[in-house]
Formats: sequence, C-alpha cells, structure tokens
Amino acid sequence: DTEVTQTPKHLVMGMTNKKSLKCEQHMGHRAMYWYKQKAKKPPELMFVYSYEKLSINESVPSRFSPECPNSSLLNLHLHALQPEDSALYLCASSQDGTGRYEQYFGPGTRLTVT
Amino acid sequence: LAKTTQPISMDSYEGQEVNITCSHNNIATNDYITWYQQFPSQGPRFIIQGYKTKVTNEVASLFIPADRKSSTLSLPRVSLSDTAVYYCLVGAFYNNNDMRFGAGTRLTVKP
Repeated sequence: DTEVTQTPKHLVMGMTNKKSLKCEQHMGHRAMYWYKQKAKKPPELMFVYSYEKLSINESVPSRFSPECPNSSLLNLHLHALQPEDSALYLCASSQDGTGRYEQYFGPGTRLTVT
Repeated sequence: LAKTTQPISMDSYEGQEVNITCSHNNIATNDYITWYQQFPSQGPRFIIQGYKTKVTNEVASLFIPADRKSSTLSLPRVSLSDTAVYYCLVGAFYNNNDMRFGAGTRLTVKP
C-alpha cells in the first residue's frame, strides 16, 4: 500500500470555526509533512514530523496546529482562519526526513475560508 | 538552504524528448536532487531522484554534472498526458527545515 489518504476532500469553514484535517499512511514511513499550496504556486512546507519529533516552520501562524497521534496519523487543527488561508493542503510522507527518500503525497484537502 | 531556479514554462510536441534544467548553485554535500510532477488539483508525484552522475528509471533520466550545481530532467517521447508542472527539489532535512520546492516548470505538450 503506497497511498496517503487525506480527509476531508473539501472543507468550507467560517473564520470562527474549529476544524481538523486528517492524514494517514500505512507504509511505515517515519516522516510526515504538511504543505500549503495556493493556485499556480509551488507547495509551501508548513510542518514536518520526523520520528515523531516536530519541526515547526517559523512562518506558520499559530492558528494552524499540527498533531501526530502516532507514526501513521497526522492531523492539522485549524482555528480562527483567515480568507487568505484558503488553499490546497497537502499531506506527504517519506521513509525518513533525510531528503534521500521520495515523498508520497495525498490528494489534498481543498480548504475555503469564508 | 539550496535555492533552485527553473524555467517558468516550456512547450513541446508529442513524441519529442524534453529536457528541463534546474540550477542549484549552493547545493550542499548532503543534499539530494528530486523531481516531482504535479497535475492540477492533485498532489505531486515522485519522478526521479539522484545524488550525482546519471540516474534512469522507467519514465525519466536525471543528469547531474560533477559539480552538482545543476541537474537536467529528461523525459523521452512525451505525450499529451505529460502536460503538468515539474518541480525540482533540493535539500536534506535533519534538524532544520530546508526542503523546498522550486517555482516549477509548466510543461505543455501539443499534438
């Protein structure tokens, strides 16, 4: 199984809502990633978990909060988002976080903040 | 942080070979070079990865000169379905976040 799954596929939320994005992989990978991608732009790294250690991208606002319940699951908790946070949120995993192994990407969650 | 530079766009015709070059002048010793393909509204998909010299798989070849300051993705005999954005990624993650996608090259294959 080389699949990374993400739920939900689409999400519309208001600026006062709290929601979560979920990501799962069963490849035994020890690194998992969250990316944000705006239209016609490259994926922008948000967070990385490697061997269950979080490395935080400094430019990510605190209204985005990652959680890694175990090595197969990755969540992204959303609170008080802004309309400019509307984007495609991609989850990925790789064997480890050294960069020498390919990343497997999920299909993404299309988020719209109203 | 190894920054990459790619052409913004390229056009080709079906059946031709396409070469996309990525510049990464400050690549570090521990960095690997990875190329991804992305179709609209989908996650990127791994194409090929290399460290030095030449790597070939069933879909592409990757040429890396000795100084590793650039790399060239070669797609043989492209088809319409190869129309996509191609990203060059250079980096190695240890204790800092330096995995970065370049701006990408939008390849359009015409009939």
